[in-house]
Amino acid sequence: NAGVTQTPKFQVLKTGQSMTLQCAQDMNHNSMYWYRQDPGMGLRLIYYSASEGTTDKGEVPNGYNVSRLNKREFSLRLESAAPSQTSVYFCASSGGTLTRTSYEQYFGPGTRLTVT
Amino acid sequence: GESVGLHLPTLSVQEGDNSIINCAYSNSASDYFIWYKQESGKGPQFIIDIRSNMDKRQGQRVTVLLNKTVKHLSLQIAATQPGDSAVYFCAENKGRAAGNKLTFGGGTRVLVKP
Repeated sequence: NAGVTQTPKFQVLKTGQSMTLQCAQDMNHNSMYWYRQDPGMGLRLIYYSASEGTTDKGEVPNGYNVSRLNKREFSLRLESAAPSQTSVYFCASSGGTLTRTSYEQYFGPGTRLTVT
Repeated sequence: GESVGLHLPTLSVQEGDNSIINCAYSNSASDYFIWYKQESGKGPQFIIDIRSNMDKRQGQRVTVLLNKTVKHLSLQIAATQPGDSAVYFCAENKGRAAGNKLTFGGGTRVLVKP
């Protein structure tokens, strides 16, 4: 199993540009999450999808949109990037027969985004 | 608002010594408390968790203690090794009804000195 994969690994955007961060998991997990991590800080939840077909806002949803394309894939879109969105973005998934518990989250390697 | 935080941002430990990382939380309604390890350039990795109705749980070289009276969580690492150098986060899980969302603390960096 590859676990949780994210693309791209690095991205530089100009203010106002848009982009989509891709995330996929092959563990048959029900729930998927998007977090951002600013330097020297913990992770903050942007959006999550408790199950296929549902999405909900997290702690810091402004400026982002998400799509749960299918059970495997959960994408994060920045419609008009701003310097305040410079951060490392992590996707995670949880829930399913392969997890030790229903709530343990497995994280991808992250996407480092810089907005100039 | 509800939050999970840490007392010490950086902890330097001699190889072979024990490490103790502390965390304070404010939300009494959380179901689980979890410790994650994050190595440089990688995503967080699950270490150990503890349910809110427990006060101690042991894993391989790690022990988590939960003191609900003072809303305090700690992670003890026995015989700290160079591979333990990382940032450690505590997180609280608000339960399945809340989508198993995690709230993370700010992190403690552990530096293991040879």
